[in-house]
Amino acid sequence: EAQVTQNPRYLITVTGKKLTVTCSQNMNHEYMSWYRQDPGLGLRQIYYSMNVEVTDKGDVPEGYKVSRKEKRNFPLILESPSPNQTSLYFCASRFSVSYNEQFFGPGTRLTVL
Amino acid sequence: GQQLNQSPQSMFIQEGEDVSMNCTSSSIFNTWLWYKQDPGEGPVLLIALYKAGELTSNGRLTAQFGITRKDSFLNISASIPSDVGIYFCAGPFILTGGGNKLTFGTGTQLKVEL
Repeated sequence: EAQVTQNPRYLITVTGKKLTVTCSQNMNHEYMSWYRQDPGLGLRQIYYSMNVEVTDKGDVPEGYKVSRKEKRNFPLILESPSPNQTSLYFCASRFSVSYNEQFFGPGTRLTVL
Repeated sequence: GQQLNQSPQSMFIQEGEDVSMNCTSSSIFNTWLWYKQDPGEGPVLLIALYKAGELTSNGRLTAQFGITRKDSFLNISASIPSDVGIYFCAGPFILTGGGNKLTFGTGTQLKVEL
């Protein structure tokens, strides 16, 4: 089944404790991105990647890192999480940066205490 | 970042009623997408529109690509309880370096009363 998977689905952590949220897609998509969703603010893009080893900042990149060492995986790294990073996070992918139909993962609900 | 104007923000309707929502952009789009997000899940693509004036259906859902290419509409006929969720429109802003950035509306929260 074609899909985008994320892990973990739920995470509660403390300020300053590094964490990684994994994302994987099995559709051979070139383009992957991370969003956060907060009440009243909609979906905001954190980082995106147009292909392996090509990543760039989205609208709200501060406090986040990403890597794209292989086509299928695009982990989101929080080196020193803070409470304002408590949010619902979505990974998404599409065939390429010029192709518009985008598919989302199931989401990761992160709480930073 | 850019955002699309989506309205209404929320709707509380009776089961069986028809629902309409719309989305507008300050820029011209060549594609409009409509997503639905169920509680606790990721957005799922419902309908994609590629041509101005195009009308496309997916079951009880019908979406239209506005003639001006700056707006789109989503209608749900005879709503049922499982229509509950948040509906997002999305459109591609063309990037100067090539490719596009998919930008999302703020969502319409639909609640259906039995």
